Amino acid sequence: EAQVTQNPRYLITVTGKKLTVTCSQNMNHEYMSWYRQDPGLGLRQIYYSMNVEVTDKGDVPEGYKVSRKEKRNFPLILESPSPNQTSLYFCASSSGSSYNEQFFGPGTRLTVL
Amino acid sequence: AQSVAQPEDQVNVAEGNPLTVKCTYSVSGNPYLFWYVQYPNRGLQFLLKYITGDNLVKGSYGFEAEFNKSQTSFHLKKPSALVCDSALYFCAVRPFNYGQNFVFGPGTRLSVLP
Repeated sequence: EAQVTQNPRYLITVTGKKLTVTCSQNMNHEYMSWYRQDPGLGLRQIYYSMNVEVTDKGDVPEGYKVSRKEKRNFPLILESPSPNQTSLYFCASSSGSSYNEQFFGPGTRLTVL
Repeated sequence: AQSVAQPEDQVNVAEGNPLTVKCTYSVSGNPYLFWYVQYPNRGLQFLLKYITGDNLVKGSYGFEAEFNKSQTSFHLKKPSALVCDSALYFCAVRPFNYGQNFVFGPGTRLSVLP
């Protein structure tokens, strides 16, 4: 089954404790992206990657890091989480053409205390 | 700056009636336009997209959307709403000339009343 998977689905942590949210896709997609969803703000793009070893900032990259060492994986790293990073996070992927739709993972609900 | 507006936070419609969820955008150049739906505790699912050509595009679950270049709008429509259409709907644009950056609207919650 073609899918985007994220782990963990739920995470409660404390300020300053480094964490990684994993994202993996099995569709051989070139493009992958991370979003955060907050009430009234819709989805805001954090980082995206157009292929292996190619990443770029989205609209809200502060406090986040990403890497793309393999085509299928695109982990999101919060090196020192803060309460304002409490949110619902989605990973998405699509094939390389700009007009192709994205496939979304199920989401990771992160709470930073 | 690129932006997408969904002027209604909430749309209520009776089952069987037509529905419209509005979207307007502000981008430079010619964008690709998308609609996604989010059901509770789920990720976003693709509904339909406009690339080029016919201004009326048809998508999943009986939804369609009309692209209007002069009004920079891409309204989502369905002739007869179902209770199971109740969900959160997002409009998104991907500017053709600006790489791979998607911009999403804030979302509109659709409630279809039985």
